[in-house]
Amino acid sequence: SYELTQPPSVSVSPGQTARISCSGDALSKHYVYWYQQKPGQAPVVIICKDSERPSGIPERFSGSSSGTTVTLTISGVQAEDEADYYCQSADSSATYVVIGGGTKLTVL
Amino acid sequence: EVQLVESGGVVVQPGGSLRLSCAASGFTFDDYAMHWVRQAPGKGLEWVSLISWDGGATYYADSVKGRFTISRDNSTNSLYLQMNSLGPEDTALYYCAKDGGDLTGGNYFESWGQGTLVTVSS
Repeated sequence: SYELTQPPSVSVSPGQTARISCSGDALSKHYVYWYQQKPGQAPVVIICKDSERPSGIPERFSGSSSGTTVTLTISGVQAEDEADYYCQSADSSATYVVIGGGTKLTVL
Repeated sequence: EVQLVESGGVVVQPGGSLRLSCAASGFTFDDYAMHWVRQAPGKGLEWVSLISWDGGATYYADSVKGRFTISRDNSTNSLYLQMNSLGPEDTALYYCAKDGGDLTGGNYFESWGQGTLVTVSS
């Protein structure tokens, strides 16, 4: 079955830049969406279509794509950004919705 | 404001059945596809199922195909998930999610409910 691969964890100090990758063979064909989930809360979409930021999402969140890897970048990380981050896309035939395993961002 | 309120989660024995419901409001329900997404305790998100705006097309993760059935009632703005032959691996918080409805971008989860907990245990 098709999978999206994310690093299990990323750690950064406040004010630094965090980068979370998501890789998958079909990512050059389909857009990727990123979600932030804080403990005890439902996920929230923070990046659409690889790099578009929905209204209300801070500018420090950005997305980029290169071939079969997409990257979520959080510039000037703040303590409140500590959360789990998930990428989501579709398999090559767009039959299945696929979600990455998630990355826990720790702000040191 | 979009509101999605799930219900129906309980403790059920292995092999049992359960029907989850999601009450939607704040948007034109029959304009959008809808999803179920689940999260096992301490684990990541797993997409479960998708239904088109009119119920005419449904899709399932391999892990639930043949056991779960997604449906909707556009007259009452309700989404359902019929779950049969439940096993311990189905224990999870089940979220109802509104699709983004972007014709060029593919499916994604624009809004989420708070989830309903299903526990499969004897």
